[in-house]
Amino acid sequence: ETGVTQTPRHLVMGMTNKKSLKCEQHLGHNAMYWYKQSAKKPLELMFVYNFKEQTENNSVPSRFSPECPNSSHLFLHLHTLQPEDSALYLCASSQQAGEGGTEAFFGQGTRLTVV
Amino acid sequence: GQNIDQPTEMTATEGAIVQINCTYQTSGFNGLFWYQQHAGEAPTFLSYNVLDGLEEKGRFSSFLSRSKGYSYLLLKELQMKDSASYLCAVMDSNYQLIWGAGTKLIIKP
Repeated sequence: ETGVTQTPRHLVMGMTNKKSLKCEQHLGHNAMYWYKQSAKKPLELMFVYNFKEQTENNSVPSRFSPECPNSSHLFLHLHTLQPEDSALYLCASSQQAGEGGTEAFFGQGTRLTVV
Repeated sequence: GQNIDQPTEMTATEGAIVQINCTYQTSGFNGLFWYQQHAGEAPTFLSYNVLDGLEEKGRFSSFLSRSKGYSYLLLKELQMKDSASYLCAVMDSNYQLIWGAGTKLIIKP
């Protein structure tokens, strides 16, 4: 248990479906992140929220839509995904974005399969 | 561009020592992290180096040479539970983490 909880753990969705991933952190952190992890590839940073404000969007397609209603919760809304979007989606939090030396705490991820 | 290189896979024997190397080329440097990730689980923080030298933490040590753009993670007295992927990440001048693809470590009895 890392203090960061993601649901669901596994998700299979069709290309026309709409679904949402949820992340919750109980660490009192101010920054939250979405990462995509594909097999044998580096972690890809998708979005960063710092004090509920989106500070980074790394050229992510609009079929991925983040939402951060407060510093403890982060959502990733998915619609009309492609099979190549199948991956492990990891949520992380840290004390504050834009600071050196602060480690990130990760959730266990949502294994997404797009069929 | 920014780049982190680490071996894809390594194999070692239980009780032995293994060194996992990481070389990096990034725009600026604000520290280097090592994470451990067991299959199907969250990456967990192992170490952080921002100054040159060796940081020791129990069976695990991490070394950094900023002039060479090089780090290694040293694991001693290997145990079966150390079988995992080890991720190297560098924080660049914008405080963004640049990640390597990870090294899968296989421990054999």
